Amino acid sequence: DQQVKQNSPSLSVQEGRISILNCDYTNSMFDYFLWYKKYPAEGPTFLISISSIKDKNEDGRFTVFLNKSAKHLSLHIVPSQPGDSAVYFCAASARVSQGGSEKLVFGKGTKLTVNP
Amino acid sequence: DGGITQSPKYLFRKEGQNVTLSCEQNLNHDAMYWYRQDPGQGLRLIYYSQIVNDFQKGDIAEGYSVSREKKESFPLTVTSAQKNPTAFYLCASSISGELFFGEGSRLTVL
Repeated sequence: DQQVKQNSPSLSVQEGRISILNCDYTNSMFDYFLWYKKYPAEGPTFLISISSIKDKNEDGRFTVFLNKSAKHLSLHIVPSQPGDSAVYFCAASARVSQGGSEKLVFGKGTKLTVNP
Repeated sequence: DGGITQSPKYLFRKEGQNVTLSCEQNLNHDAMYWYRQDPGQGLRLIYYSQIVNDFQKGDIAEGYSVSREKKESFPLTVTSAQKNPTAFYLCASSISGELFFGEGSRLTVL
């Protein structure tokens, strides 16, 4: 039972355009969501997060939107750059019910390719 | 510099052998985690520890064991009971909802 789903295994966009990566979740107890970026043979690095009390969080070129009623979040990258090419993982946790544990459930990832 | 160090980066093992992957952090984080990544899969949680001398099974703990004798260290042993051990293993520690990952260890069983 996959609690966090990234239904697009890959996405290709042109440099300068917007990249939109999508993530759906099924567990209504999730209250904290994160996006990680991963280059081949490296550990993932944190990109941006959002708490369930918000519907938008912005950090430079990266914005995460959360739609709790649809159990959907998305990561927008504007403008996209070739260096953004990586695999992006969506992750979620149920921090309150887990007693503060940071145990995360990850999606399968979306490979983003930004073409020059 | 503070961070998480995993070793070895690459490891080959014969079937039937146990191997131990090292994970050390100097971030003073209480919680540490082991994840496994397979092609086309998300990161799956093997074991986690929220405090020294305590750890819990994650979603795919069978065939693995861990210890947490020191705050800085969370080694993972891949035992011969793990049926499909070839994978990329990631160690992480956390604070305030964010995981910090090591660079990973790639284990190949020959």
